[in-house]
Order: sequence, then C-alpha cells, then structure tokens
Amino acid sequence: GAGVSQSPSNKVTEKGKDVELRCDPISGHTALYWYRQRLGQGLEFLIYFQGNSAPDKSGLPSDRFSAERTGESVSTLTIQRTQQEDSAVYLCASSLGLPAGNTIYFGEGSWLTVV
Amino acid sequence: AQSVSQHNHHVILSEAASLELGCNYSYGGTVNLFWYVQYPGQHLQLLLKYFSGDPLVKGIKGFEAEFIKSKFSFNLRKPSVQWSDTAEYFCAVRGNGGSNYKLTFGKGTLLTVNP
Repeated sequence: GAGVSQSPSNKVTEKGKDVELRCDPISGHTALYWYRQRLGQGLEFLIYFQGNSAPDKSGLPSDRFSAERTGESVSTLTIQRTQQEDSAVYLCASSLGLPAGNTIYFGEGSWLTVV
Repeated sequence: AQSVSQHNHHVILSEAASLELGCNYSYGGTVNLFWYVQYPGQHLQLLLKYFSGDPLVKGIKGFEAEFIKSKFSFNLRKPSVQWSDTAEYFCAVRGNGGSNYKLTFGKGTLLTVNP
C-alpha cells in the first residue's frame, strides 16, 4: 500500500480483556516497529522485526504484551488482560531495514482506551 | 543507552515569529538525527534528517536544523512560522551503525501558532 496501515484506529476495551492491534507495513519494507505513546509522553519503543531475524522484544513492558509478524508482511500486537495504564496510542512503523540510514515511516496509530 | 531531551514542552508563537526548538541527545558514537512532525489528527511525518556531511540540513516547509556535535544538539529552526505549523514536533536519534535500528524519541514539543 501507499503507507503504513493500522487497525483499529480506535478501540475502547474493558479492563481485563485482551486486545489485538494490526499493522500492515509499506510493501517491500523488511523492518517493522511498534511504539507506544502515552498522553504527554514521547514515543516508547516496544518491539522490532527485521526479515526472518529474531525480533528485538526489549521494549515490551510486561509479559502481557506480545507481537507477531508473518514473514515481511502484517504484524499483530496483542495485549492480554489489559490494564488502565495500557491506554495509549500504539504506533506501527516500517522501513527498508538496515542500513540504519533508511527512513522510518509511521502509521496513524491505534488509540487504545482501557476503561 | 541513547536518550533525547527536548527542552520545551509547549511553545506559543504568533504568525511570522521565528522558531527554534531545542533538542539535545546522549549517545556514545556517531548518530543519525531526525525531526518528525505530527499535525493534529495526522500521523507522524519526517520533517528532516541528518546522516552525515553538511551539519545544516533543510527539510520540508522551510524548516532547517543544525547538528552541533560539540553540544550534542540538533535544534530545529524556522525563520517565520505560519498558523499551519501548529503541531507537535519530535526529535529522534539513532546510532549510525549496521546493527542500530532503534529510534529513540524525545517527549515532543507542542507548537501553537496564533494567527
């Protein structure tokens, strides 16, 4: 597609429920990132996928968070047993991957509200 | 670990005023530096980037930024702002190396331009 596509754009869920967020990167982009942006905060790195390499999960805040990516296409971020502090915008981004000079392009984000 | 500090949380200007947004980073090596902009209701967009060479880089919409290595700074400037520049601005850093892929963002500066 023309850009990074994310769904849903908005999600309101009850505390304790599981949610799944989807990201469709730009075609041909081998690198995919998930970031989180909480109100009044900067973007917080969550996870990085690069081709068939093992993902860098170092930013996932707890074991309730997980992400998968099928090959070099769609990725899903799953949050289990959601908590109110999980409320944030979850941003997906993609790039052509290494070298590091490649520009990272962001989607519009999925706004998650946990009530 | 790399980090980014943006000095101003909220800047309010009148149209035609000059703009300078501060950004300082911490990283023990050579870096790539970025400014991203997020207009109301839109996704993050790349404004400009520095990889190497001329430390004064020009971006879209009349923005420029200067990399001052000795000060670990990458301040964003625009000589005359417009109402349409109202947005949130994020500075980001990434280590310049084959295995460096993670963008680290500052907390952002909200710019409000009054007509």
